[in-house]
Amino acid sequence: EIVLTQSPDFQSVTPKEKVTITCRASQSIGSSLHWYQQKPDQSPKLLIKYASQSISGVPSRFSGSGSGTDFTLTINSLEAEDAATYYCHQSSSLPHSFGQGTKLEIK
Amino acid sequence: QVQLQESGPGLVKPSETLSLTCTVSGGSIRSYYWSWMRQPPGKGLEWIGYIYYSGTTNYNPSLKSRVTISVDTSKNQFSLKLSSVTAADTAVYYCARGGYYDILTGFSYYYMDVWGKGTTVTVSS
Repeated sequence: EIVLTQSPDFQSVTPKEKVTITCRASQSIGSSLHWYQQKPDQSPKLLIKYASQSISGVPSRFSGSGSGTDFTLTINSLEAEDAATYYCHQSSSLPHSFGQGTKLEIK
Repeated sequence: QVQLQESGPGLVKPSETLSLTCTVSGGSIRSYYWSWMRQPPGKGLEWIGYIYYSGTTNYNPSLKSRVTISVDTSKNQFSLKLSSVTAADTAVYYCARGGYYDILTGFSYYYMDVWGKGTTVTVSS
């Protein structure tokens, strides 16, 4: 089973700041890594698919990169509405799995 | 646009079977994979499994002996059954569209692009 480890677990950031969240896989998963945003009391929302592919309707300040075992979600010019928990998800091999989540707090 | 709605009992007794249904509206259940996830209170997401519209399934080994996912294409619904539940199964359960098979490339693509709002299931006597 592939384990995904996100860092940091928690980050407090100010608006307009650039944020980087990392996700490390316990073995190579190619580019089969996806990112989701979950706001309190809401279901997750797909932000990025296959490491770096953008999703229609998602603001362009969200971008993804990486391959193999190391991946990054970048949020440029953070906005107050970006306060949420972010999860990575791998679909390279079964069972599919999620990272533990990174909670972003806006100062 | 495609929308998903979970339905089922919010309270299940220990040792009984949890049963949930996800209704797909605004689009066909055909040609896609359909997934179930859960999230215990205050915790992260857990992948339970998926079903292809044709009936092929894959489950998380941690739950495999207790899980059954089925599909009813005539009703545009898919369902989750989890047997012998305990308090540890208390969670918000989500259904989601889990990917598709590309007939041109012969590859399957797995990611959850449409989610239901989730339904809270509590296991308690």
